[in-house]
Amino acid sequence: GEEVAQTPKHLVRGEGQKAKLYCAPIKGHSYVFWYQQVLKNEFKFLISFQNENVFDETGMPKERFSAKCLPNSPCSLEIQATKLEDSAVYFCASSQGGTGQAFFGQGTRLTVV
Amino acid sequence: KNEVEQSPQNLTAQEGEFITINCSYSVGISALHWLQQHPGGGIVSLFMLSSGKKKHGRLIATINIQEKHSSLHITASHPRDSAVYICAVRTGTASKLTFGTGTRLQVTL
Repeated sequence: GEEVAQTPKHLVRGEGQKAKLYCAPIKGHSYVFWYQQVLKNEFKFLISFQNENVFDETGMPKERFSAKCLPNSPCSLEIQATKLEDSAVYFCASSQGGTGQAFFGQGTRLTVV
Repeated sequence: KNEVEQSPQNLTAQEGEFITINCSYSVGISALHWLQQHPGGGIVSLFMLSSGKKKHGRLIATINIQEKHSSLHITASHPRDSAVYICAVRTGTASKLTFGTGTRLQVTL
Protein backbone atom coordinates (compact mmCIF):
# COMPACT_ATOMS: atom_id res chain seq x y z
CA GLY A 1 0.00 0.00 0.00
CA GLU A 2 0.91 3.67 -0.16
CA GLU A 3 0.78 4.23 3.56
CA VAL A 4 1.75 2.43 6.73
CA ALA A 5 -1.42 0.78 8.02
CA GLN A 6 -1.74 0.04 11.72
CA THR A 7 -4.59 -1.87 13.31
CA PRO A 8 -6.45 -1.57 15.52
CA LYS A 9 -6.62 2.18 16.21
CA HIS A 10 -7.64 1.60 19.81
CA LEU A 11 -7.25 -1.42 22.04
CA VAL A 12 -8.40 -1.84 25.63
CA ARG A 13 -7.14 -4.75 27.71
CA GLY A 14 -7.49 -5.76 31.32
CA GLU A 15 -4.27 -6.18 33.25
CA GLY A 16 -2.82 -9.58 32.53
CA GLN A 17 -4.53 -9.96 29.16
CA LYS A 18 -2.70 -10.30 25.85
CA ALA A 19 -2.53 -7.48 23.30
CA LYS A 20 -1.62 -7.87 19.64
CA LEU A 21 -0.96 -4.96 17.33
CA TYR A 22 -0.48 -5.08 13.57
CA CYS A 23 1.45 -3.04 11.04
CA ALA A 24 1.48 -3.29 7.27
CA PRO A 25 4.48 -1.33 5.93
CA ILE A 26 4.48 0.56 2.65
CA LYS A 27 4.93 -1.87 -0.25
CA GLY A 28 8.58 -2.10 -1.17
CA HIS A 29 9.85 -0.86 2.18
CA SER A 30 12.28 -3.33 3.68
CA TYR A 31 12.69 -1.82 7.17
CA VAL A 32 10.04 -1.72 9.88
CA PHE A 33 10.43 0.04 13.24
CA TRP A 34 8.22 -0.10 16.33
CA TYR A 35 8.14 2.81 18.81
CA GLN A 36 6.21 3.32 22.01
CA GLN A 37 5.00 6.87 22.83
CA VAL A 38 4.30 7.40 26.49
CA LEU A 39 3.13 10.62 28.11
CA LYS A 40 2.94 13.23 25.38
CA ASN A 41 6.27 13.32 23.59
CA GLU A 42 8.47 10.54 24.90
CA PHE A 43 9.24 8.00 22.23
CA LYS A 44 10.92 4.74 23.08
CA PHE A 45 12.39 2.50 20.38
CA LEU A 46 11.32 -1.12 20.70
CA ILE A 47 12.50 -3.19 17.74
CA SER A 48 13.33 -3.01 14.04
CA PHE A 49 13.21 -5.51 11.19
CA GLN A 50 14.94 -5.83 7.87
CA ASN A 51 12.36 -7.78 5.89
CA GLU A 52 11.50 -10.72 8.16
CA ASN A 53 14.74 -10.58 10.15
CA VAL A 54 15.16 -8.82 13.47
CA PHE A 55 17.62 -5.96 12.89
CA ASP A 56 17.78 -4.32 16.31
CA GLU A 57 15.87 -5.48 19.38
CA THR A 58 17.74 -3.52 22.02
CA GLY A 59 14.60 -1.69 23.13
CA MET A 60 12.37 -4.71 23.63
CA PRO A 61 11.37 -5.70 27.16
CA LYS A 62 12.25 -9.35 26.63
CA GLU A 63 9.90 -10.90 29.14
CA ARG A 64 6.49 -9.96 27.79
CA PHE A 65 7.05 -8.33 24.40
CA SER A 66 7.57 -10.15 21.13
CA ALA A 67 7.37 -9.12 17.48
CA LYS A 68 7.40 -10.72 14.05
CA CYS A 69 7.47 -9.70 10.41
CA LEU A 70 6.57 -12.73 8.31
CA PRO A 71 6.46 -12.76 4.50
CA ASN A 72 3.08 -11.80 3.00
CA SER A 73 1.63 -10.90 6.41
CA PRO A 74 1.41 -7.69 8.42
CA CYS A 75 4.10 -7.30 11.06
CA SER A 76 2.89 -7.81 14.61
CA LEU A 77 3.80 -6.70 18.11
CA GLU A 78 2.46 -8.84 20.92
CA ILE A 79 2.39 -8.08 24.62
CA GLN A 80 1.70 -10.99 26.94
CA ALA A 81 0.24 -10.29 30.36
CA THR A 82 -0.20 -6.55 29.88
CA LYS A 83 0.55 -4.17 32.73
CA LEU A 84 -0.83 -0.70 33.42
CA GLU A 85 2.53 0.81 32.40
CA ASP A 86 2.12 -0.65 28.89
CA SER A 87 -0.61 1.92 28.23
CA ALA A 88 0.78 4.03 25.39
CA VAL A 89 0.47 4.74 21.70
CA TYR A 90 2.47 2.27 19.63
CA PHE A 91 3.75 3.56 16.30
CA CYS A 92 5.10 1.57 13.43
CA ALA A 93 7.31 3.19 10.78
CA SER A 94 8.74 1.83 7.56
CA SER A 95 11.52 2.98 5.26
CA GLN A 96 12.87 1.99 1.88
CA GLY A 97 16.31 0.71 2.70
CA GLY A 98 18.33 1.68 5.72
CA THR A 99 18.81 5.32 4.73
CA GLY A 100 15.34 6.19 3.48
CA GLN A 101 12.84 8.59 5.00
CA ALA A 102 10.75 7.01 7.73
CA PHE A 103 6.98 6.95 7.20
CA PHE A 104 4.76 6.45 10.22
CA GLY A 105 1.44 4.74 10.71
CA GLN A 106 -1.43 6.37 12.62
CA GLY A 107 -0.56 4.46 15.76
CA THR A 108 -2.44 2.07 18.03
CA ARG A 109 -3.55 3.46 21.37
CA LEU A 110 -3.34 0.69 23.96
CA THR A 111 -5.13 1.26 27.24
CA VAL A 112 -4.59 -1.28 30.02
CA VAL A 113 -7.19 -1.09 32.77
CA LYS B 1 20.89 15.76 29.12
CA ASN B 2 18.91 14.47 26.13
CA GLU B 3 20.82 13.68 22.96
CA VAL B 4 18.27 15.75 21.02
CA GLU B 5 17.05 19.07 22.41
CA GLN B 6 14.35 21.25 20.93
CA SER B 7 13.40 24.85 21.59
CA PRO B 8 11.07 26.35 22.33
CA GLN B 9 8.91 23.73 24.08
CA ASN B 10 5.77 25.76 23.43
CA LEU B 11 5.12 28.45 20.87
CA THR B 12 2.08 30.60 20.23
CA ALA B 13 1.93 32.68 17.09
CA GLN B 14 -0.62 34.76 15.22
CA GLU B 15 -1.70 33.79 11.75
CA GLY B 16 0.77 35.02 9.18
CA GLU B 17 3.81 35.06 11.45
CA PHE B 18 7.13 33.50 10.51
CA ILE B 19 7.98 30.65 12.86
CA THR B 20 11.29 29.02 13.73
CA ILE B 21 11.74 25.83 15.72
CA ASN B 22 15.23 24.76 16.70
CA CYS B 23 16.84 21.37 17.22
CA SER B 24 20.29 20.68 18.63
CA TYR B 25 21.87 17.27 18.96
CA SER B 26 24.97 15.99 20.65
CA VAL B 27 25.79 12.85 18.65
CA GLY B 28 27.09 12.17 15.16
CA ILE B 29 24.18 11.60 12.81
CA SER B 30 23.52 10.17 9.38
CA ALA B 31 20.19 11.98 8.97
CA LEU B 32 17.75 14.25 10.78
CA HIS B 33 13.99 14.04 10.45
CA TRP B 34 11.34 16.66 11.09
CA LEU B 35 7.96 15.18 12.01
CA GLN B 36 4.55 16.70 12.64
CA GLN B 37 2.07 15.21 15.10
CA HIS B 38 -1.48 16.56 15.09
CA PRO B 39 -3.82 16.43 18.08
CA GLY B 40 -5.41 13.30 16.60
CA GLY B 41 -2.06 11.62 17.14
CA GLY B 42 -0.90 10.63 13.66
CA ILE B 43 2.69 11.43 12.68
CA VAL B 44 3.56 12.95 9.33
CA SER B 45 7.10 12.91 8.03
CA LEU B 46 7.96 16.43 6.85
CA PHE B 47 11.65 16.27 5.93
CA MET B 48 14.70 14.09 6.07
CA LEU B 49 17.98 16.02 5.92
CA SER B 50 21.62 15.12 5.95
CA SER B 51 22.96 18.47 4.74
CA GLY B 52 21.91 21.88 3.48
CA LYS B 53 18.32 22.95 3.10
CA LYS B 54 14.99 21.59 1.91
CA LYS B 55 11.76 23.40 1.07
CA HIS B 56 8.23 22.11 0.72
CA GLY B 57 5.47 24.68 0.31
CA ARG B 58 5.62 27.02 3.31
CA LEU B 59 8.02 24.78 5.22
CA ILE B 60 11.79 25.12 5.11
CA ALA B 61 14.27 22.92 6.96
CA THR B 62 17.97 23.61 7.33
CA ILE B 63 20.80 21.74 8.95
CA ASN B 64 24.33 22.70 9.98
CA ILE B 65 26.28 19.50 10.53
CA GLN B 66 29.34 21.24 12.01
CA GLU B 67 27.22 23.03 14.62
CA LYS B 68 24.93 20.01 15.17
CA HIS B 69 21.88 22.18 14.70
CA SER B 70 18.75 22.18 12.55
CA SER B 71 15.89 24.62 12.17
CA LEU B 72 12.35 24.24 10.86
CA HIS B 73 10.78 27.41 9.52
CA ILE B 74 7.14 27.99 8.70
CA THR B 75 6.35 31.01 6.58
CA ALA B 76 2.92 32.70 6.65
CA SER B 77 1.72 30.47 9.48
CA HIS B 78 -1.87 29.30 9.56
CA PRO B 79 -4.07 27.79 12.32
CA ARG B 80 -3.90 24.43 10.52
CA ASP B 81 -0.15 24.42 11.25
CA SER B 82 -1.00 23.95 14.94
CA ALA B 83 0.62 20.69 15.95
CA VAL B 84 3.61 19.24 17.77
CA TYR B 85 6.78 19.37 15.71
CA ILE B 86 9.37 16.75 16.51
CA CYS B 87 13.01 16.52 15.54
CA ALA B 88 14.47 13.01 15.38
CA VAL B 89 17.98 11.85 14.45
CA ARG B 90 19.39 8.68 13.02
CA THR B 91 22.94 7.87 14.02
CA GLY B 92 23.74 5.18 11.47
CA THR B 93 22.45 3.24 8.51
CA ALA B 94 19.11 1.62 9.34
CA SER B 95 19.41 2.63 12.96
CA LYS B 96 16.50 3.67 15.15
CA LEU B 97 15.41 7.28 15.48
CA THR B 98 16.19 9.22 18.65
CA PHE B 99 13.49 11.80 19.26
CA GLY B 100 13.49 15.29 20.69
CA THR B 101 10.79 16.25 23.17
CA GLY B 102 8.81 18.21 20.60
CA THR B 103 7.64 21.79 20.17
CA ARG B 104 3.95 22.45 20.61
CA LEU B 105 2.85 25.16 18.17
CA GLN B 106 -0.44 26.98 18.42
CA VAL B 107 -1.31 29.42 15.64
CA THR B 108 -4.24 31.72 16.39
CA LEU B 109 -6.37 33.89 14.12
